[in-house]
Amino acid sequence: GAGVSQSPSNKVTEKGKDVELRCDPISGHTALYWYRQSLGQGLEFLIYFQGNSAPDKSGLPSDRFSAERTGGSVSTLTIQRTQQEDSAVYLCASSFLQEQYFGPGTRLTVT
Amino acid sequence: AQSVTQPDIHITVSEGASLELRCNYSYGATPYLFWYVQSPGQGLQLLLKYFSGDTLVQGIKGFEAEFKRSQSSFNLRKPSVHWSDAAEYFCAVGPNSGGYQKVTFGIGTKLQVIP
Repeated sequence: GAGVSQSPSNKVTEKGKDVELRCDPISGHTALYWYRQSLGQGLEFLIYFQGNSAPDKSGLPSDRFSAERTGGSVSTLTIQRTQQEDSAVYLCASSFLQEQYFGPGTRLTVT
Repeated sequence: AQSVTQPDIHITVSEGASLELRCNYSYGATPYLFWYVQSPGQGLQLLLKYFSGDTLVQGIKGFEAEFKRSQSSFNLRKPSVHWSDAAEYFCAVGPNSGGYQKVTFGIGTKLQVIP
């Protein structure tokens, strides 16, 4: 069956521009996570959506980062006024019974 | 709040040698426990998980892990490492309860396999 998909796979943007990263989770998965993985680093938790509950935004590094999940399905991570330190791979995972299924990630490069 | 500690950032083993990657967790009750693997240039894949029952769980690629409640540990083992096992390994813990079910990851252990 279809797994988690993310788009775009690669994004190069200029410093100061806004970017939107999209995640299409596995149908029926009620939980969704966003992570950031910088070069050679582990997983940095960003945000967690579970059903209709208020999202856990405790991992968002600044107010330039925001995310939404529409209709309990597709999620969009938005980074405003991008900075060079935002360059990383952004991973999305949807979850069922706490088991996470990861997408391939979006590699963001801020020049 | 739950937390996970992977004390070894980087481990090097010889091909054919045995492997044990350490994972310690903090949680008030019996948690759900996971090991994921990220091979170079690849996405994260579930190796194995513990929810309940037998404390020794078998996973893919010949890996196993043992849940030890007394030590709050869930160490990953493999009796004979292959060069293809070189990857980064992440331990994760989740609450064994209803409601809020966020899973927390450790910082990962990078495994290098030498000939």
